[in-house]
Amino acid sequence: SVLTQPPSASGPPGQRVTISCSGSNSNIRRFTVNWYQQLPGTAPKLLIFNSNQRPSGVPDRFSGSKSGTSASLAVSGLRSEDEADYYCAAWDETLNGPVFGGGTKLTVL
Amino acid sequence: EVQLLESGGDLVQPGGSLRLSCAASGFTFASYAMSWVRQAPGKGLEWVSGISGSGGSTYYADSVKGRFTISRGNSKSTLYLQMSSLIPDDTAVYYCAKSFGDYVGDAFPLWGQGTMVTVSS
Repeated sequence: SVLTQPPSASGPPGQRVTISCSGSNSNIRRFTVNWYQQLPGTAPKLLIFNSNQRPSGVPDRFSGSKSGTSASLAVSGLRSEDEADYYCAAWDETLNGPVFGGGTKLTVL
Repeated sequence: EVQLLESGGDLVQPGGSLRLSCAASGFTFASYAMSWVRQAPGKGLEWVSGISGSGGSTYYADSVKGRFTISRGNSKSTLYLQMSSLIPDDTAVYYCAKSFGDYVGDAFPLWGQGTMVTVSS
């Protein structure tokens, strides 16, 4: 994948976990990052847009940030229902289209 | 209700063709860019193609360029993906997704439930 994410992340209930997303000058440095949550067997859901904004209905336990060619998603106060796959995405000016990270499977221990 | 409903997925032989449709409702379809995103079994998300609200601008991933054609019928609030010269690597769930605005690079706040395409002999 053009954007690089760790394949897995985990933490016990109540803890804070961060998921990284590494890109390049042609994508994350120049464009905003979006994050999607995909629960098993369901369509993706937008979690964070414009790098750090939450759509209405998304709990403030989820937050996003971006610096240089990297971005991160933080999940605080982990809950069992947060177990899902998380994907980052950004426009890539070289490929002239959106690119996704490979996804991170979050496990709540 | 604001929703997207895909259809047209099927089992098709390598080299074959298929057309997917995505019926939109609950919003002014022509005002928004739309995209197709696919997910192979057990794999991650891959953006496939996008189109502007007017249909005047189209974008394709290198993996499907020259084989897939995206189009839209704004009078019918429907998005299409014509797929030809299909190969086994095209096997995936295909989602249609609505952009925040009339820009394919926007985030996708609305997704359909997906339709399965299987390419196999």
